[in-house]
Amino acid sequence: GENVEQHPSTLSVQEGDSAVIKCTYSDSASNYFPWYKQELGKRPQLIIDIRSNVGEKKDQRIAVTLNKTAKHFSLHITETQPEDSAVYFCAASMGGNMLTFGGGTRLMVKP
Amino acid sequence: GAVVSQHPSRVICKSGTSVKIECRSLDFQATTMFWYRQFPKQSLMLMATSNEGSKATYEQGVEKDKFLINHASLTLSTLTVTSAHPEDSSFYICSARSPSTPYEQYFGPGTRLTVT
Repeated sequence: GENVEQHPSTLSVQEGDSAVIKCTYSDSASNYFPWYKQELGKRPQLIIDIRSNVGEKKDQRIAVTLNKTAKHFSLHITETQPEDSAVYFCAASMGGNMLTFGGGTRLMVKP
Repeated sequence: GAVVSQHPSRVICKSGTSVKIECRSLDFQATTMFWYRQFPKQSLMLMATSNEGSKATYEQGVEKDKFLINHASLTLSTLTVTSAHPEDSSFYICSARSPSTPYEQYFGPGTRLTVT
């Protein structure tokens, strides 16, 4: 089955700096890669997603890049703010089927 | 749109008892629902995939006789934890997929189960 690895497990940045989280996946058939933000005790919140027919997608301060050949994708957050502090999960799926999640990254943005 | 609810949000039960958790898609019909379990400071792990009108598909290592899943309608799936034990204490989250957006999954708010 699919295996998704996520790095780093914790990331501390200064407010205003950029944050980058990286994930690799194992199943070349995976074609949907969402990123979620989860605050303590809350549901995962979709922040951005990308499909395999696109190499990059951007939404304001958030961008995701996908390298199908290398089977890795990354989340980029620019101009970080304290409210960006949370746990971020990457995930992979094939055609909207079951999601396989990465291990999560705890992002701390210091004011 | 695409709202998923879960009930209860928190439940405390005694060891050996059973607990039922409901997952509802409020404004769309969900042909497929997923159940995840999340232990503290860990990732979400898929327990089972539930399709309306058919038996659930369980992931390896998940006991189907312990975690009973019923997807009786296009808007409701239930997870029953039978003979609960303290090690079943966890955050249980469901998600649903809408036919109109087949790639995206919409998550419920989760249920915190504590078994004493």
